[in-house]
Amino acid sequence: GAGVSQSPSNKVTEKGKDVELRCDPISGHTALYWYRQSLGQGLEFLIYFQGNSAPDKSGLPSDRFSAERTGGSVSTLTIQRTQQEDSAVYLCASSLVDEIYNEQFFGPGTRLTVL
Amino acid sequence: EDKVVQSPLSLVVHEGDTVTLNCSYEVTNFRSLLWYKQEKKAPTFLFMLTSSGIEKKSGRLSSILDKKELSSILNITATQTGDSAIYLCAVPKGEYGNKLVFGAGTILRVKS
Repeated sequence: GAGVSQSPSNKVTEKGKDVELRCDPISGHTALYWYRQSLGQGLEFLIYFQGNSAPDKSGLPSDRFSAERTGGSVSTLTIQRTQQEDSAVYLCASSLVDEIYNEQFFGPGTRLTVL
Repeated sequence: EDKVVQSPLSLVVHEGDTVTLNCSYEVTNFRSLLWYKQEKKAPTFLFMLTSSGIEKKSGRLSSILDKKELSSILNITATQTGDSAIYLCAVPKGEYGNKLVFGAGTILRVKS
């Protein structure tokens, strides 16, 4: 498996529940990104990890959203007390190095539906 | 505020037609512009255009960057049903260019 993988592929949850979304980046990629894509809209940047540096959380829409990256590899995006407006496809991407050309490779995403 | 605008929002053509998709951008400290194709969930990389590489071509797809007009076009010639997808345009922003700002995309449907 050379690509970015994400799990689950689909998640249906009830309003108010917490969810965890997982991302396995391409091996050796030091940069990892989370995006959100709502219906009919482009991708919205959420958070960025680069090596051991503090993550850039500037895109997180509220304090219900958090993410961590363990061991510089796998990342988990957690949404607490989910709301219906959180329904979207959550995409993870990774890149080899943090360089200006920024070619990011995307995973297949997790489709989150909050009832 | 950095932003990317794509047009048209959607397009329906017949196989064999040629299409041109547009992308305009406003970003502080331009570095590059990227085109992605999104068929189901995962966007796949098509092209990256920079000041030193303003024109790219791959098979029936080609793209040009116009830095003066702050825009780019993506051309697809002799379209096929497999070209049906959402085409996304993005530019890096932020101090290190680590965040991508995406346009809303153009939904292309190629009818047989």
